[in-house]
Amino acid sequence: EAGVTQFPSHSVIEKGQTVTLRCDPISGHDNLYWYRRVMGKEIKFLLHFVKESKQDESGMPNNRFLAERTGGTYSTLKVQPAELEDSGVYFCASSLRQGPGTDTQYFGPGTRLTVL
Amino acid sequence: AQSVTQLGSHVSVSEGALVLLRCNYSSSVPPYLFWYVQYPNQGLQLLLKYTSAATLVKGINGFEAEFKKSETSFHLTKPSAHMSDAAEYFCAVSERNKLSFGAGTTVTVRA
Repeated sequence: EAGVTQFPSHSVIEKGQTVTLRCDPISGHDNLYWYRRVMGKEIKFLLHFVKESKQDESGMPNNRFLAERTGGTYSTLKVQPAELEDSGVYFCASSLRQGPGTDTQYFGPGTRLTVL
Repeated sequence: AQSVTQLGSHVSVSEGALVLLRCNYSSSVPPYLFWYVQYPNQGLQLLLKYTSAATLVKGINGFEAEFKKSETSFHLTKPSAHMSDAAEYFCAVSERNKLSFGAGTTVTVRA
């Protein structure tokens, strides 16, 4: 069974440009999460989809970030326009059920974003 | 809000020695706690999780963790370190399926 995949693995862009990150969850997983780790900081939650609906987007930093999950399969995270402080590693995770918090979240390898 | 604190950003151990990584949690309700590991150039992999069943939780690769409510701790241990254990380890707590992570502890293993 394929794991969570993310594309691209690395992205280097100029400040003010737009970048779109993609995440393909494990097949059949209704729950999809985005997290981010900026350099020297903790991994922080961004948002949670259940199928195509946003369940919790309390961690989204500002309106320059837009996440979508059309059809409840893969998800994209767009940053427009990118700022220097957006640099970091963006992780995607998926889980099968939405239980009381005990379900294992399976993580992808991350996308390393560098904004120059 | 629930949170975790990992003590020590770097730990260096000799091959064959005990690995001890410390994690303390803050929660007003019984927490769901996790340890993840990130090997170089890979995603986070679940080592083990505590879901209020047994207080001693066994995970993969010989790791285990003990939930101690009186100490609000969930420390990770492995009796004998291998070179392949070199990685970054994260403690996390789940609140409504949202994981909150500690800052991470990087483990290096000396031959």
